[in-house]
Amino acid sequence: GENVEQHPSTLSVQEGDSAVIKCTYSDSASNYFPWYKQELGKRPQLIIDIRSNVGEKKDQRIAVTLNKTAKHFSLHITETQPEDSAVYFCAAPTRLSGSARQLTFGSGTQLTVLP
Amino acid sequence: SAVISQKPSRDICQRGTSLTIQCQVDSQVTMMFWYRQQPGQSLTLIATANQGSEATYESGFVIDKFPISRPNLTFSTLTVSNMSPEDSSIYLCSVPQTGNYGYTFGSGTRLTVV
Repeated sequence: GENVEQHPSTLSVQEGDSAVIKCTYSDSASNYFPWYKQELGKRPQLIIDIRSNVGEKKDQRIAVTLNKTAKHFSLHITETQPEDSAVYFCAAPTRLSGSARQLTFGSGTQLTVLP
Repeated sequence: SAVISQKPSRDICQRGTSLTIQCQVDSQVTMMFWYRQQPGQSLTLIATANQGSEATYESGFVIDKFPISRPNLTFSTLTVSNMSPEDSSIYLCSVPQTGNYGYTFGSGTRLTVV
């Protein structure tokens, strides 16, 4: 099955600076890589995802890059704001039967944006 | 994308008792996933619930402890049986989104066992 490693476990940045979180995966057949944001006491919310047929995807201040050769993908948050403070999880799919798949999650990164 | 109604949102239970968590989806889905999130940890898959067949459990999780029902394509329950304080966690259900590769999560059940 899939093994997903995420670094760093904690990250503190000054407001306005950029934050980068990195993940590696083991299954070369994985073709979808989502990032979830989880605020305290709430469910994980999908913030951005990328398919394996592209190398980068942007959505305003958030971007994800994918290097399939090296089997790693990264979340980039620019111009960080205090409301970006949360736990971020990367994930990668493990194929089940047919087209079905389940997600394996990274260990999470606690991002703190300091005012 | 699908909308999931999960309940209860939280509960405090005595050790040795059982709690059943429900997830209702507003559309038919083939598979539903149940996750556990222990305090300060990531999400760990408990099992995959298929309609019309037995659930498939991940390593470290067994049916006697976490029985799952999937009576139709829009509903599933997870029971946490014979609870101990180590079962205190957030439990989440999830379904794949149709038309893309994304997943939707229920709002979670925060379980505290005392």
